[in-house]
Amino acid sequence: DVKVTQSSRYLVKRTGEKVFLECVQDMDHENMFWYRQDPGLGLRLIYFSYDVKMKEKGDIPEGYSVSREKKERFSLILESASTNQTSMYLCASSVDRWNVSYQPQHFGDGTRLSIL
Amino acid sequence: SQQGEEDPQALSIQEGENATMNCSYKTSINNLQWYRQNSGRGLVHLILIRSNEREKHSGRLRVTLDTSKKSSSLLITASRAADTASYFCAYTTSGTYKYIFGTGTRLKVLA
Repeated sequence: DVKVTQSSRYLVKRTGEKVFLECVQDMDHENMFWYRQDPGLGLRLIYFSYDVKMKEKGDIPEGYSVSREKKERFSLILESASTNQTSMYLCASSVDRWNVSYQPQHFGDGTRLSIL
Repeated sequence: SQQGEEDPQALSIQEGENATMNCSYKTSINNLQWYRQNSGRGLVHLILIRSNEREKHSGRLRVTLDTSKKSSSLLITASRAADTASYFCAYTTSGTYKYIFGTGTRLKVLA
């Protein structure tokens, strides 16, 4: 089974801090995604990566950046955390860039991030 | 917004009953998927239905798709307490890799 592991389940940071959220998948998937999940808003895509060092902006990239130096690891960076970035962050992976829309996404258990 | 809408937002039923959740969307889609999310956990893929399919089954799950009405439904038959979770539809549109997720239905199955 695919396993997607997010480094922290809960994280509390202060406004202005630089925050790193890490995600690792063990199935050699090419695609990795970062979403944030807020009540009543569903999941919204922050960034997508289909290969090492490749990234594409999702719907809400402002205030975030990403890093993918190795195929199995995809990091989400909050450059200067703000209270409106308090949310649940979910990482996902899928097989490859071809026929992306027909591939199920495999999710980690999420990081609940609080910015004080 | 292209976000899918699901109804009901919340559903409470007795064990053994059937649960039906609906998803509506606004654009032409490639396919539609359903996911389950247990409290405090990530999403788990349940089933995918392609835009040229009308109905699909997987165990106790039955999914229908009506592209003319831009809607899909997920039926869980003979529900169990372990089915208690939030259920999300997700779909992609032509020419894009992005999944658009619905707002979810919270299902509670009472033992």
